[in-house]
Amino acid sequence: ETGVTQTPRHLVMGMTNKKSLKCEQHLGHNAMYWYKQSAKKPLELMFVYSLEERVENNSVPSRFSPECPNSSHLFLHLHTLQPEDSALYLCASSQGETGNPYEQYFGPGTRLTVT
Amino acid sequence: GQNIDQPTEMTATEGAIVQINCTYQTSGFNGLFWYQQHAGEAPTFLSYNVLDGLEEKGRFSSFLSRSKGYSYLLLKELQMKDSASYLCAVRDSNYQLIWGAGTKLIIKP
Repeated sequence: ETGVTQTPRHLVMGMTNKKSLKCEQHLGHNAMYWYKQSAKKPLELMFVYSLEERVENNSVPSRFSPECPNSSHLFLHLHTLQPEDSALYLCASSQGETGNPYEQYFGPGTRLTVT
Repeated sequence: GQNIDQPTEMTATEGAIVQINCTYQTSGFNGLFWYQQHAGEAPTFLSYNVLDGLEEKGRFSSFLSRSKGYSYLLLKELQMKDSASYLCAVRDSNYQLIWGAGTKLIIKP
């Protein structure tokens, strides 16, 4: 595996379900990100981890819970979601975080549908 | 507030040239990125500008004017595979990336 991988690619869940999204990067990067992408809207940064420490939490509802067990893996735990949470969830990684010009490398995303 | 503006959609002809504009109002500036995103796929990095001027990379070029809060992505010799969304993003004074909503580029034969 190379680059940034995400599983599952597609997920349909009810509002009472609990599920987790997984992201893995094989690039040796030390910063990882979760984004939400809704149709015709800018990418919304949800969480940033740098060296496995959370450094950004942009007022994301508590029904989204991130976990970063090591610098290569990132999870997004989901529970009691709402239909408006349906979107493409993108994971990204970069060589550094704050103060660093390096570009971010994105995974293919998980298309989430909440019914 | 912080804002990135790009056209929602553009159409161009195969073999032609197209310019996608991006204007920004952000609290500080620490670089501007362009990404390409094909439908159903991950965004991929195209270019990075931090100083004024033109950066050329093959068929793609990116221009920046910091005084005008303006950038454009220039695509030459358009190919059908260039049909995609193009995302503009600016890194602000807190080194946070502010993203535009993207420009969907449609290439016609």
